[in-house]
Amino acid sequence: AQSVSQHNHHVILSEAASLELGCNYSYGGTVNLFWYVQYPGQHLQLLLKYFSGDPLVKGIKGFEAEFIKSKFSFNLRKPSVQWSDTAEYFCAGCNQFYFGTGTSLTVIP
Amino acid sequence: NAGVTQTPKFQVLKTGQSMTLQCAQDMNHEYMSWYRQDPGMGLRLIHYSVGAGITDQGEVPNGYNVSRSTTEDFPLRLLSAAPSQTSVYFCASRRDPYNEQFFGPGTRLTVL
Repeated sequence: AQSVSQHNHHVILSEAASLELGCNYSYGGTVNLFWYVQYPGQHLQLLLKYFSGDPLVKGIKGFEAEFIKSKFSFNLRKPSVQWSDTAEYFCAGCNQFYFGTGTSLTVIP
Repeated sequence: NAGVTQTPKFQVLKTGQSMTLQCAQDMNHEYMSWYRQDPGMGLRLIHYSVGAGITDQGEVPNGYNVSRSTTEDFPLRLLSAAPSQTSVYFCASRRDPYNEQFFGPGTRLTVL
């Protein structure tokens, strides 16, 4: 069974809408979680990561994620999306051994 | 700083052929990994290395070999290509398990 799962496969939003992408993990031990983004035609790049400490993590480009241990979740959020946020988003965990299946986000101008 | 480079960018193979995908990094990172990306499957780890001379299997290692003779290079060998290996292959490197991975541009492989 995959250790990191993403349930939103394809999300379509209008500009200025709020975004929340789900990520759940199912492994024990030390938890470390990452969100990566892949813009069309570009390399994957890191948005943010969590290892310990404040469960609310802020990343680049206005993204944030909240680690909720009781829910085994690390959801990605952005209060107001832009057309330029159109991309594929991947959650990763377990020292980045596992990646989720990805969520394709399309933002309509 | 070139970061992580991969060659070739595109490759078409016939079933049964072998080939090597090249990966190099110039950041002096100890950790390097190979992933394949398939629609609906996300990225899956094929093999990884924690330093020169040390490699280990990931989630989907069958049909692939790796070696790490230097810190910079981490080639991925397909021993006998199969259509199921049609995919986009990404190489990545990082300083340690807890840090950001830097990904290469990918190799799009088609096996006929």
